[in-house]
Amino acid sequence: GAVVSQHPSRVICKSGTSVKIECRSLDFQATTMFWYRQFPKKSLMLMATSNEGSKATYEQGVEKDKFLINHASLTLSTLTVTSAHPEDSSFYICSAVGQGRIYSNQPQHFGDGTRLSIL
Amino acid sequence: GENVEQHPSTLSVQEGDSAVIKCTYSDSASNYFPWYKQELGKGPQLIIDIRSNVGEKKDQRIAVTLNKTAKHFSLHITETQPEDSAVYFCAAPKTGANNLFFGTGTRLTVIP
Repeated sequence: GAVVSQHPSRVICKSGTSVKIECRSLDFQATTMFWYRQFPKKSLMLMATSNEGSKATYEQGVEKDKFLINHASLTLSTLTVTSAHPEDSSFYICSAVGQGRIYSNQPQHFGDGTRLSIL
Repeated sequence: GENVEQHPSTLSVQEGDSAVIKCTYSDSASNYFPWYKQELGKGPQLIIDIRSNVGEKKDQRIAVTLNKTAKHFSLHITETQPEDSAVYFCAAPKTGANNLFFGTGTRLTVIP
């Protein structure tokens, strides 16, 4: 149980392109999903918290107009990198939490990430 | 807010030996501590977690211990196998929010 599916796994595209990444909870309803960015050999950096039916909460320094997040249903959140540039190249990972707060026994479950390469 | 420190950053052990990874946290109100294993090119996988009402939890070859007084928790892997080679992250909740602070990671290499 608690499977999170993330697509695509890899994207290579030209500078200026917008890229959409999907994150789906397959066997549970996720009231909250998180989007992370990970640089090589580094830890996970939280970009934003996405709650179903409401606007995402972005971490300091993350451009909300650059990284558009939509959480339209309890099983799907999307991250769109708009007008991507080479510096946006990174490994993007989503996670999902079931109904209830994290410290009420609802751990985060991660997708397998999307490697984005902007040429 | 929470601050999580993890060490060592790299750890090499012989197959069959034990591996221990330690994390400290700063927020005494934190009450949930997961450990994740990340293999190359994959997302982190939850391997074990512990809540503040217990001091130790075991799952086969993996155990986690928690010392709330000292504000540190550790991951113990016994009888290590080559497939245990990966990057391991500890985490603790961010105060007042439902997201996690992650440690900096430990790259574990099990030498056959």
